[in-house]
Amino acid sequence: KQEVTQIPAALSVPEGENLVLNCSFTDSAIYNLQWFRQDPGKGLTSLLLIQSSQREQTSGRLNASLDKSSGRSTLYIAASQPGDSATYLCAPRGSNYQLIWGAGTKLIIKP
Amino acid sequence: GAGVSQSPSNKVTEKGKDVELRCDPISGHTALYWYRQSLGQGLEFLIYFQGNSAPDKSGLPSDRFSAERTGGSVSTLTIQRTQQEDSAVYLCASSFRWLTNTGELFFGEGSRLTVL
Repeated sequence: KQEVTQIPAALSVPEGENLVLNCSFTDSAIYNLQWFRQDPGKGLTSLLLIQSSQREQTSGRLNASLDKSSGRSTLYIAASQPGDSATYLCAPRGSNYQLIWGAGTKLIIKP
Repeated sequence: GAGVSQSPSNKVTEKGKDVELRCDPISGHTALYWYRQSLGQGLEFLIYFQGNSAPDKSGLPSDRFSAERTGGSVSTLTIQRTQQEDSAVYLCASSFRWLTNTGELFFGEGSRLTVL
């Protein structure tokens, strides 16, 4: 059974710092992995989708990497801004259709 | 539509009443998912549709919960005889394909249900 762990559970950093959010999963047989952000009281916004054959994906200040064999993905946020404050969720998709969710990393960027 | 649309955004109901939550997926998306998120908790999978069919209903918490999808588009999640433990945010997502590596999920803003 796939289990997803996100570390750290919470992170508070000053504006402008580069930071890394970690996601680990126990079953490496995944089709892809998706990173989302969730703002308080809101739905989820898709940030990046990495296919199982890919090593990384970039969108603006965000870069996500995937090491399928070791069951790890990282989300790198460059030059963090207060607007990046949110909960970040990773979700690998396994051999069925379902996404398995981590508990998230709550990120606070202090002005 | 431009994004996944859910209604109502907020619903307050009395225990024992029935509620219907609606999801309008992105046009052309064949897969549709319902999730539930209780306060401070992670996402709980409820059901997914491929077209109008629901191959897997195993996530529905009880027989008070049902869902349908018509015309391969709009889906309705119905909760009968609501209980206080049904209070949560109900999130809908859609994707262009399922069980392929192209299935990026896009979520709606959710329907917040409060059962008094």
